[in-house]
Amino acid sequence: AQSVTQPDIHITVSEGASLELRCNYSYGATPYLFWYVQSPGQGLQLLLKYFSGDTLVQGIKGFEAEFKRSQSSFNLRKPSVHWSDAAEYFCAVGARDYGGATNKLIFGTGTLLAVQP
Amino acid sequence: DTAVSQTPKYLVTQMGNDKSIKCEQNLGHDTMYWYKQDSKKFLKIMFSYNNKELIINETVPNRFSPKSPDKAHLNLHINSLELGDSAVYFCASSPRTTLTANTEAFFGQGTRLTVV
Repeated sequence: AQSVTQPDIHITVSEGASLELRCNYSYGATPYLFWYVQSPGQGLQLLLKYFSGDTLVQGIKGFEAEFKRSQSSFNLRKPSVHWSDAAEYFCAVGARDYGGATNKLIFGTGTLLAVQP
Repeated sequence: DTAVSQTPKYLVTQMGNDKSIKCEQNLGHDTMYWYKQDSKKFLKIMFSYNNKELIINETVPNRFSPKSPDKAHLNLHINSLELGDSAVYFCASSPRTTLTANTEAFFGQGTRLTVV
């Protein structure tokens, strides 16, 4: 079955420190992978996505993610965290129907990021 | 202008009541969705509609009835509300049913439903 696991429920980093949020997926074919961010009281905003090609994907707000097929992972990274990055981060895989079309997202349970001054 | 807007943002109601959540998108997208986020932050798709036609119905109780009067609107009506319906409900839209490298799903701000 298709699933996404985010092992870290809560992470705290200091402002200016580097960040890596882990995401592992279970999917039979080449996955379409996404990272979304949810700020308090806000909706979900797409940070970046991977469909094919270069396994290192650049996103908005200075985030990047690397697809590693051998590890079934799509970890999100940022070299220097800002206080405004404090939010909930969701990894998702695009699930395909029997026709091969990706028509829904399967989300992980999220990682709550706190940023210390 | 808000791309995907939901109303109300907060909804507190008693068990057994019937309530509706409205969603509108001004992006010109053909496909709209409802996702439910439970108390453990787990997000799961409930429905998707493409140009007013139901595409996905993910084993949701039939107390939940989506209604799409036109492709810019997808409302969620819930009958006989139960305590377990308490959650945050997110509306989303995408240009078409299939998500591709050039398309994405845009989410609303969510509606926090509390059933007491």
